[in-house]
Amino acid sequence: DQQVKQNSPSLSVQEGRISILNCDYTNSMFDYFLWYKKYPAEGPTFLISISSIKDKNEDGRFTVFLNKSAKHLSLHIVPSQPGDSAVYFCAASEYTGTASKLTFGTGTRLQVTL
Amino acid sequence: DSGVTQTPKHLITATGQRVTLRCSPRSGDLSVYWYQQSLDQGLQFLIQYYNGEERAKGNILERFSAQQFPDLHSELNLSSLELGDSALYFCASSHRTGSGTEAFFGQGTRLTVV
Repeated sequence: DQQVKQNSPSLSVQEGRISILNCDYTNSMFDYFLWYKKYPAEGPTFLISISSIKDKNEDGRFTVFLNKSAKHLSLHIVPSQPGDSAVYFCAASEYTGTASKLTFGTGTRLQVTL
Repeated sequence: DSGVTQTPKHLITATGQRVTLRCSPRSGDLSVYWYQQSLDQGLQFLIQYYNGEERAKGNILERFSAQQFPDLHSELNLSSLELGDSALYFCASSHRTGSGTEAFFGQGTRLTVV
């Protein structure tokens, strides 16, 4: 049962344009959402997060939008740069009272072309 | 550099064998998580420890076990290894375990079972 889904395995965007990566979830108990970026042969790197009480969080070129009613979040990268080429994982956190468990999507490979 | 150290980086072993993967969390982090990433898959949560105590368990096989020691480093033990256990194993750490916690990942251990 995939509780966090990234339906686009890959995305190609031209340098300077906007990249939009999407993520859907099914568990209404998730209360915190995160995006991680991963380069080959490296561990995932935390990028940006958003609490379920907010609908937008911005950090430089990165903005995450959360639509709770649709159980959907997206990551916008503007403008896209070649160094942004990586695999992006969406993650959702559920606090059980004793632990916060992160559930990851399968990732979207972003390629930013010149 | 996330501050999370995993050793070894690569491990090749035969089926039926047992291996131990080691993780040193970031300084001050009390919580350690273990994830498995098989080929082209997302990160599957295995287990979480907080200050030496097991706090959450994911789809961890009975052949796998983990512990967190008083100095907060953690070890993941994999026994009776099968070909399907070949994967990247990531350790992550965070300062706390409550809601809204970002986890920081190590570089991973690539396990190949032959």
